[in-house]
Amino acid sequence: QQQVKQSPQSLIVQKGGIPIINCAYENTAFDYFPWYQQFPGKGPALLIAIRPDVSEKKEGRFTISFNKSAKQFSLHIMDSQPGDSATYFCAASIGDDKIIFGKGTRLHILP
Amino acid sequence: DVKVTQSSRYLVKRTGEKVFLECVQDMDHENMFWYRQDPGLGLRLIYFSYDVKMKEKGDIPEGYSVSREKKERFSLILESASTNQTSMYLCAAGDLYEQYFGPGTRLTVT
Repeated sequence: QQQVKQSPQSLIVQKGGIPIINCAYENTAFDYFPWYQQFPGKGPALLIAIRPDVSEKKEGRFTISFNKSAKQFSLHIMDSQPGDSATYFCAASIGDDKIIFGKGTRLHILP
Repeated sequence: DVKVTQSSRYLVKRTGEKVFLECVQDMDHENMFWYRQDPGLGLRLIYFSYDVKMKEKGDIPEGYSVSREKKERFSLILESASTNQTSMYLCAAGDLYEQYFGPGTRLTVT
């Protein structure tokens, strides 16, 4: 199954809170899981990525948690700021240069 | 920094017109991609290209064609535009580790 299911579709969090975006997949052949961030009027840009042999990866305030047995992964944003308001896409790749994207989560951080 | 540019930010066309969307990358990436982005549907792959004159269908190729005559340029063609092709079109260059996206073309077909 070449799908990545992402939830929630939209999310509103108070400044300083920890928004969590969840993704699930079926195909165990996926071996690379990037997250992309898209600001209004811009194209998506790579934010952070993880391989399935690692359970967690942190880059600054952004953390990916990966549960291989459950075939789920999630993005946490620590100490969220209004500038983090954007659309976030989880994705998966099978190693052939194509990326399969989730449907996106519109995140709004309240000041 | 890889830069991907798209010929237009906004485009309005009439039903039945032939539409060309142009994309240029300034790095030497072999792979280029065309996606469309619609609310609630995310990014859907239309076509991609691994090399000059090579093209592969993505998930939603119907109603579209592509052209890649030079490595840096990848064109999306709507042979006969229809209202259901009103969308945001995004071009990208790169590989599975990172795709670099252009700013998008918002196409409206009336």
